[in-house]
Amino acid sequence: GAVVSQHPSRVICKSGTSVKIECRSLDFQATTMFWYRQFPKQSLMLMATSNEGSKATYEQGVEKDKFLINHASLTLSTLTVTSAHPEDSSFYICSARREEQFFGPGTRLTVL
Amino acid sequence: GESVGLHLPTLSVQEGDNSIINCAYSNSASDYFIWYKQESGKGPQFIIDIRSNMDKRQGQRVTVLLNKTVKHLSLQIAATQPGDSAVYFCAENGDYGGSQGNLIFGKGTKLSVKP
Repeated sequence: GAVVSQHPSRVICKSGTSVKIECRSLDFQATTMFWYRQFPKQSLMLMATSNEGSKATYEQGVEKDKFLINHASLTLSTLTVTSAHPEDSSFYICSARREEQFFGPGTRLTVL
Repeated sequence: GESVGLHLPTLSVQEGDNSIINCAYSNSASDYFIWYKQESGKGPQFIIDIRSNMDKRQGQRVTVLLNKTVKHLSLQIAATQPGDSAVYFCAENGDYGGSQGNLIFGKGTKLSVKP
C-alpha cells in the first residue's frame, strides 16, 4: 500500500507562535492532499483540500489566513498554523489521494 | 453491549465473538463508502469499501453491508480479536459522482474487545 508520512508527530508550542506540519506521500505522487482536524473523542473534520500548483480549497468555517496550506510538489503539502492559540490544540491528519485516500499518522499539536 | 459516551459510542465484545458496527450516512447521492480503523494516536487505516451498486462486500474477517433504502452501513468483524480494539469510522464520498473526493466521516464507534 501507499505510505504517507507526517512531520512532526508531536509539537508543543507557545501561544502566538506559528507551527508548520509537513505531509509527504513517500512512494506515489498525489495531486490532491487533504487536511483534517480531530478533537479528542470526535471524528475527523475536513479542513481543506490541497491541490498541487493551485490554491487550497477551505471548508466552511476554516480560516484560510490562519491555516496556511502549500502544495508545492506532488509529494509534499504543508499546513502552517499561524499565531496558534490553545483552542488550536488538536490532532491534525493529512491524506493523499491515489485511487483512494491514504492517511498519514497524524500530528498532535499542543498550544500552551 | 453498546453504550453511548459523551461523544463516542462504545461497543464491548468478548474475544472470539462477532462484532457489528453500524453507521447512518447523510446523503442519498453518496456512491462510495469506506470503513476505517483508527488506533489511539494514529491515523485512520483503510479496512474495506463498497460502492452504491453493491449491497454486500466481504474481506478477510470483515463484511460491509449497505442498505441504501434506509441509508445505513454496517461493518461485521468475525471472530473479534484484541487487536481489533480501536475506533471505527464510516466515511462517505462527499464528491458525489466522483471517484473519491472529499470524505465525510461519521461519528465513530469505539470497539473494546475483552480477552
